[in-house]
Amino acid sequence: DGGITQSPKYLFRKEGQNVTLSCEQNLNHDAMYWYRQDPGQGLRLIYYSQIVNDFQKGDIAEGYSVSREKKESFPLTVTSAQKNPTAFYLCASNGRRVEAFFGQGTRLTVV
Amino acid sequence: DQQVKQNSPSLSVQEGRISILNCDYTNSMFDYFLWYKKYPAEGPTFLISISSIKDKNEDGRFTVFLNKSAKHLSLHIVPSQPGDSAVYFCAASVRISYNQGGKLIFGQGTELSVKP
Repeated sequence: DGGITQSPKYLFRKEGQNVTLSCEQNLNHDAMYWYRQDPGQGLRLIYYSQIVNDFQKGDIAEGYSVSREKKESFPLTVTSAQKNPTAFYLCASNGRRVEAFFGQGTRLTVV
Repeated sequence: DQQVKQNSPSLSVQEGRISILNCDYTNSMFDYFLWYKKYPAEGPTFLISISSIKDKNEDGRFTVFLNKSAKHLSLHIVPSQPGDSAVYFCAASVRISYNQGGKLIFGQGTELSVKP
């Protein structure tokens, strides 16, 4: 079945560590996105990529980095520069149609 | 600058009645609007969309209305069922090209509770 797979489902990070969240899609979509969900703030766009080897900052890119070396993969690194990384992270993709499909999310907690 | 706003954090309705969720936007360049449903600790699932050239789109119990002059859209669920209880997000987009949808800008969400 086609879809988007995020891993891991739960992730714990120590202060000062970088962590990488995985996102893979087999929908043959050109565009991929990373969103962050915090209580009461909806989904905020971190980074997005419309094509391989190219990506743009979203509204809250500070403290995050991404790469898009393959069409299927769009990993997100949460760096130590991100001051408040505890959140629910969602990866999405879309192609010809406007509606984006989402993965099941990764819950990141700083310990 | 919040381009998409959902001003009601929560809504409670009785089973069988109509649920109306509202959304406002500020960017007149948006050409598609979407509604997503989300359960806790899961990814959002797409419900229904509407192009800016239309004022209504219907899919079963779900109808979305668009008022471009007021920059307002609403989602109607009739009849409401307890399984509809979830957080509903409004989103807006500007299409990149004829074969590529653009990024989605989301509202804050409205938590719907349908009571039996």
